[in-house]
Amino acid sequence: EAGVVQSPRYKIIEKKQPVAFWCNPISGHNTLYWYRQNLGQGPELLIRYENEEAVDDSQLPKDRFSAERLKGVDSTLKIQPAELGDSAVYLCASSMGQGAPETQYFGPGTRLLVL
Amino acid sequence: GEDVEQSLFLSVREGDSSVINCTYTDSSSTYLYWYKQEPGAGLQLLTYIFSNMDMKQDQRLTVLLNKKDKHLSLRIADTQTGDSAIYFCAENMGGYNKLIFGAGTRLAVHP
Repeated sequence: EAGVVQSPRYKIIEKKQPVAFWCNPISGHNTLYWYRQNLGQGPELLIRYENEEAVDDSQLPKDRFSAERLKGVDSTLKIQPAELGDSAVYLCASSMGQGAPETQYFGPGTRLLVL
Repeated sequence: GEDVEQSLFLSVREGDSSVINCTYTDSSSTYLYWYKQEPGAGLQLLTYIFSNMDMKQDQRLTVLLNKKDKHLSLRIADTQTGDSAIYFCAENMGGYNKLIFGAGTRLAVHP
């Protein structure tokens, strides 16, 4: 079974440029998460989707960040415009959306460097 | 507040046991997790423990939970070089599926 797929794996951009990350969750997983992991830190949740509905976006900086999961499968996270402090690893995770515990499976992440 | 704390670094000799410690703050967390992250990779779930348990063993891994002190530990028996990685402790905030992670403990295994 394929795991969580993310692309690109690496991205280098100049500040003020836009950038987008894509995530394909594990087949059949209804819940999708985007995390940001700063260097030397643990992941922090940005947004959580239940199917196509964003149920927790309290940590998403809405002035520059946006996300969508239009058909309840793939998801895109966008930053516009990027700032130097956005350099981090952006992790996508998915879970089935039922059961206890609800195990989250992580993708390899996209490493973003903003110059 | 939300805070999961871990020591940042642990060095052990190959074949010895490793013990990684974690403290958490949310007494309503129902599950506590240990994840492993190897260089350039995402997080891999190693094990979890339900909050009403005080110990869980899974092959070389032993998880101990002291709910009164909000202290969690992960013991790795017979540590191997392949165990070198960063280990993250996480709690599910308020019993919901929102994970709060510690900063991670880097485990270095030397011959």
